[in-house]
Amino acid sequence: DAGVIQSPRHEVTEMGQEVTLRCKPISGHNSLFWYRQTMMRGLELLIYFNNNVPIDDSGMPEDRFSAKMPNASFSTLKIQPSEPRDSAVYFCASSTGTANTGELFFGEGSRLTVL
Amino acid sequence: AQRVTQPEKLLSVFKGAPVELKCNYSYSGSPELFWYVQYSRQRLQLLLRHISRESIKGFTADLNKGETSFHLKKPFAQEEDSAMYYCALSGDNQGGKLIFGQGTELSVKP
Repeated sequence: DAGVIQSPRHEVTEMGQEVTLRCKPISGHNSLFWYRQTMMRGLELLIYFNNNVPIDDSGMPEDRFSAKMPNASFSTLKIQPSEPRDSAVYFCASSTGTANTGELFFGEGSRLTVL
Repeated sequence: AQRVTQPEKLLSVFKGAPVELKCNYSYSGSPELFWYVQYSRQRLQLLLRHISRESIKGFTADLNKGETSFHLKKPFAQEEDSAMYYCALSGDNQGGKLIFGQGTELSVKP
């Protein structure tokens, strides 16, 4: 298994543009998480899904952020419009979610720069 | 509210010296605590979990409920231990959701 796959790995865009980040979880995992990593705040949980259903989106910073999981093998995180303060590394992670084992499997991250 | 605090952003030690990365948490229920590590150019990965009471790569961590701490320790640091370390908490019935601390960068100098 290639693990959690994220794309793009790097994105540079201008303020006001729409950004879409993509994630393919590990096959068989039924929980998917989106995190944002910054120097100031570390790793922040944005939203997570169980069985494709959003469970907790309290970490989504603003209405400009939205996430979807149309099926078990794909999720997107969209920022519209983007702002310079959205610049960060966005991680997707997946897990079996059935027990509190605590092991999340992370993707390599998508580094977003908004100019 | 759940919170994980790692007071040190950067910890620098010499090879062979003991190392302790601090982690404190706030949670009203029964938490499960974990340490994750991110080596340079690698993915964030699980290092150890408190319920396993295991030693991984020479690292151990003991959950102290009285002090609400879960410090990560190693008696003799190695250069290959240099990485970013995150403490994380999972609460009851939260579907595996992890709350992470801000992370501590460990630098082990030769």
